[in-house]
Amino acid sequence: GENVEQHPSTLSVQEGDSAVIKCTYSDSASNYFPWYKQELGKRPQLIIDIRSNVGEKKDQRIAVTLNKTAKHFSLHITETQPEDSAVYFCAASKGAGSYQLTFGKGTKLSVIP
Amino acid sequence: GAVVSQHPSRVICKSGTSVKIECRSLDFQATTMFWYRQFPKQSLMLMATSNEGSKATYEQGVEKDKFLINHASLTLSTLTVTSAHPEDSSFYICSARWSGEETQYFGPGTRLLVL
Repeated sequence: GENVEQHPSTLSVQEGDSAVIKCTYSDSASNYFPWYKQELGKRPQLIIDIRSNVGEKKDQRIAVTLNKTAKHFSLHITETQPEDSAVYFCAASKGAGSYQLTFGKGTKLSVIP
Repeated sequence: GAVVSQHPSRVICKSGTSVKIECRSLDFQATTMFWYRQFPKQSLMLMATSNEGSKATYEQGVEKDKFLINHASLTLSTLTVTSAHPEDSSFYICSARWSGEETQYFGPGTRLLVL
């Protein structure tokens, strides 16, 4: 089955700096890659996603890049703010017929004011 | 839009009792619902996939007789933890998607504590 590796497990940045979280996946059939943000005790919330026919997607301070050949994708957060502090999970899915998500282990991001 | 609710948000029960958790899609018809378990400081682990009107598909290692899943309508799925034991204490989260949409929308989770 699919295996998703996520690094780093913890990340501390100064407010205003950028943060990058990287994930690799094992199944070349995976074609949908969402990123979720989860605050302590809360539900995971989708922040951005990318499909395999796209190499990069941006939404304000958040961007995701995908390298299908290398089977890795990354989350980039620019101009970080204290409210960005949370655990971020990447995931991969093969889409139609399954739609099951395989999650990475998560990255705890701390933005220091 | 795309709101998923769960009830209860917290439950404490005695060992050996059964607990039912409800997951509802409030503003869309959920053709598929998923149930996850999340232990402290860990990732989400898929327990089962539930399609409306069909039997749930369980992941390897998840006991289907212990974790009963029912998806009787397009807006409601239930997870019943039967004969709960302390090791079943965890954060249980459901998610839902509609036909043609890949994105899963998550419920707020249910924290189960078995004494």
